[in-house]
Order: sequence, then C-alpha cells, then structure tokens
Amino acid sequence: SQELEQSPQSLIVQEGKNLTINCTSSKTLYGLYWYKQKYGEGLIFLMMLQKGGEEKSHEKITAKLDEKKQQSSLHITASQPSHAGIYLCGAEAGGTASKLTFGTGTRLQVTL
Amino acid sequence: NAGVTQTPKFQVLKTGQSMTLQCAQDMNHEYMSWYRQDPGMGLRLIHYSVGAGITDQGEVPNGYNVSRSTTEDFPLRLLSAAPSQTSVYFCASSSPYEQYFGPGTRLTVT
Repeated sequence: SQELEQSPQSLIVQEGKNLTINCTSSKTLYGLYWYKQKYGEGLIFLMMLQKGGEEKSHEKITAKLDEKKQQSSLHITASQPSHAGIYLCGAEAGGTASKLTFGTGTRLQVTL
Repeated sequence: NAGVTQTPKFQVLKTGQSMTLQCAQDMNHEYMSWYRQDPGMGLRLIHYSVGAGITDQGEVPNGYNVSRSTTEDFPLRLLSAAPSQTSVYFCASSSPYEQYFGPGTRLTVT
C-alpha cells in the first residue's frame, strides 16, 4: 500500500517568513491533494496536482509536483497568522479521487 | 450551495449501540467517501462509492456499513459501537480533480 511521509512534522515560523512542507510518497504519484485543517474543524481543499512538474498557486501558497522524486512541496510566501493549522497531503490510491491515502500532517504555527 | 453536510456534529454512544452518520452533498459528484481521523494515525478510508448503487471497502471497513441509494446521500452505519470506534468521522465528495470534506462528526463510544 502507498505511504505518504510529511516533513517536517511541525514548524514554528515568524510572521512574514517563507516556509516549505514536503510530502514524499512510497509509490508513483498520480494525483496529489493538499489540504489545510484547523484544530477541531474540517479539511479545506487547497489544490490538486496531477502531472509531473505541475505547479499551482492559491493566494500565497504554491505547490509543486516532482514526479521523479515522488514528492510534492508546499511553499508559503510571507506567512501570516491565518496560515496556521495542519497541512495534509493526500494521494490517489487506484487512480480515483474517492480513495485517498493521507500523510500524518504538518502542524504550522506562525508567531507575531 | 451547501457543499458537504454531516449530521450530527457530536455523538456519544454506549458500547453495543448502533447509529447512522448522515452525509449529503449538493455538488452532483459521483464519488463519495468516509474517513476516520485518529491522533497519530491520520485519515483512514472506511468505505467509498463511485456512484449510486456502487460501494466498496477502504482500509478500515470492519464494523461499518454503507449504502448509496442516491447521488446526494451516503450514510455510514455503525452496527454495534465499540470504544475503538471513538474518532472523528469525515465524509467527502469528489469530482475527478477535487475532493471536498464535510465538517466532521465527533463520536465517543463509552
């Protein structure tokens, strides 16, 4: 079965700093989803990457997919307190969006 | 457009009781899924459906049943609740390139 490893597990950054979260898969990535979750709440869909080399942006958040490395990275530029939360990556298992395997998440804190 | 709705938000059950978690979507998505989220375990797939009348098991299906009689609804049934089923349950609705989650149901089994 596919496993996703996220790094780092937790991150504390000062407001205004840039940061990167990585998601590495044990198998070939066909579809990679990024979500943000605030404590006690549901998951907010950020973006989905499908093709190697693909890059997408959502406000100040950019994600890239490196097919060869079986890895996706999420980059936040000029972090704000509103970026705080848990970031989760999910990968399609079996080529369908109805079956995602998730990483255990990266907890981000943004200090003033 | 409400997206994905789940009821109830919170539930406490006693061991052996049964209940149904409700999930509905108004985006006309074919795909729907149920996940549970536990500390240190992340999100794990319980059951999923690729269309009305079609369901299949995910990673952790034991103790749960699902059915999909309409495109909009995908209820999750706990047959005989056990303390190991204490968790937060999320329903999701998908199109080929995006998946949206409901707000979750926090279930405690005593």
